[in-house]
Amino acid sequence: SQTIHQWPATLVQPVGSPLSLECTVEGTSNPNLYWYRQAAGRGLQLLFYSVGIGQISSEVPQNLSASRPQDRQFILSSKKLLLSDSGFYLCAWGGALAKNIQYFGAGTRLSVL
Amino acid sequence: GQQVMQIPQYQHVQEGEDFTTYCNSSTTLSNIQWYKQRPGGHPVFLIQLVKSGEVKKQKRLTFQFGEAKKNSSLHITATQTTDVGTYFCAPFRRAGSYQLTFGKGTKLSVIP
Repeated sequence: SQTIHQWPATLVQPVGSPLSLECTVEGTSNPNLYWYRQAAGRGLQLLFYSVGIGQISSEVPQNLSASRPQDRQFILSSKKLLLSDSGFYLCAWGGALAKNIQYFGAGTRLSVL
Repeated sequence: GQQVMQIPQYQHVQEGEDFTTYCNSSTTLSNIQWYKQRPGGHPVFLIQLVKSGEVKKQKRLTFQFGEAKKNSSLHITATQTTDVGTYFCAPFRRAGSYQLTFGKGTKLSVIP
């Protein structure tokens, strides 16, 4: 069966510090991968998606970037965090193999102070 | 992406009461998915609707897709405290990216 791992679960970072969040998927090949952000009490905003290694599409221009160095690894990064980067970051996998469904990781709660 | 509006934004019900959330689009949707997010948790897939006028049931949950495929609804009969959470509708776009465009969700609180 497929599983998705996301870490860390919680992160507190000072403004201006770098960020690296990692997401890995097991049990499937060539998944579509997605990064979402959810502000407190709000909906899900799609940040990036990837249909293959090295292929990244950005939905919202911002202070963040994403990379997919391996088939089942998706990384969200920032060189300098802003206060507005605080939120709940969710990784998901989906695509044809998932029959159009997206499966989410447990998420990372990021607080930028 | 295909934008959808969900109403209401919040709903407080007494345990045992029914609950309905609506998802509306100004354009015709090819399909719609529903997800539930428990407090502090991550979204979990509930159902996908594809056909005009489609109705699907999962125990106390009834999902409908409008005849014109511009709206959808989720109805919960006799709510329980386990129904607490935020319910999102999301049109699905195939076109290579398989993207979902999530509505802002309806947050359901159930008063025991």
